[in-house]
Amino acid sequence: AQSVTQLGSHVSVSEGALVLLRCNYSSSVPPYLFWYVQYPNQGLQLLLKYTSAATLVKGINGFEAEFKKSETSFHLTKPSAHMSDAAEYFCAVRDLNTGFQKLVFGTGTRLLVSP
Amino acid sequence: DTEVTQTPKHLVMGMTNKKSLKCEQHMGHRAMYWYKQKAKKPPELMFVYSYEKLSINESVPSRFSPECPNSSLLNLHLHALQPEDSALYLCASSQVIGETQYFGPGTRLLVL
Repeated sequence: AQSVTQLGSHVSVSEGALVLLRCNYSSSVPPYLFWYVQYPNQGLQLLLKYTSAATLVKGINGFEAEFKKSETSFHLTKPSAHMSDAAEYFCAVRDLNTGFQKLVFGTGTRLLVSP
Repeated sequence: DTEVTQTPKHLVMGMTNKKSLKCEQHMGHRAMYWYKQKAKKPPELMFVYSYEKLSINESVPSRFSPECPNSSLLNLHLHALQPEDSALYLCASSQVIGETQYFGPGTRLLVL
């Protein structure tokens, strides 16, 4: 079965510092992977997605993620954190067992940004 | 444009009330989804519609009744809910099943 693991329920960084949010996946087939961001009291917004094309994926708001098959990872990075990046971040993978109808989400990582 | 709209934004209802949540998209997407999200948790899939037909029901209690009257609209009818059903209800759509899902802003439901 497909699954994703997000290491760290909370990550704290200072404004201007590197952001690194970790996601490891388990999949029996080449996965489609997604990062979503959720700001307080809002829905989920797609940050970026990997669909087996380029392994380095650029998304919105300066975020990018690199697909590493050897490490089964899809970590999210941003060179310089901004206060407005404070939010909950979810990694997700399409679920083969339901014919890809279902997204399997990680447990989420809350990013805290201090001045 | 990747906009999914949901109404109402907030809803408070008693356990004997009947209410409906509405979701709309005008992107020509043929797959639509309902998710439930409790605080500090990831979204949990409830229902999937594909070409206006129910494709997945994740063993959701019958007090939740989905409806897809046309390809742009998805409703969730609520009846005799319990306080533990209080949550953020998210709608999403995708071009077809398996493609990227785009989420609406959600309806925050409080059951008293």
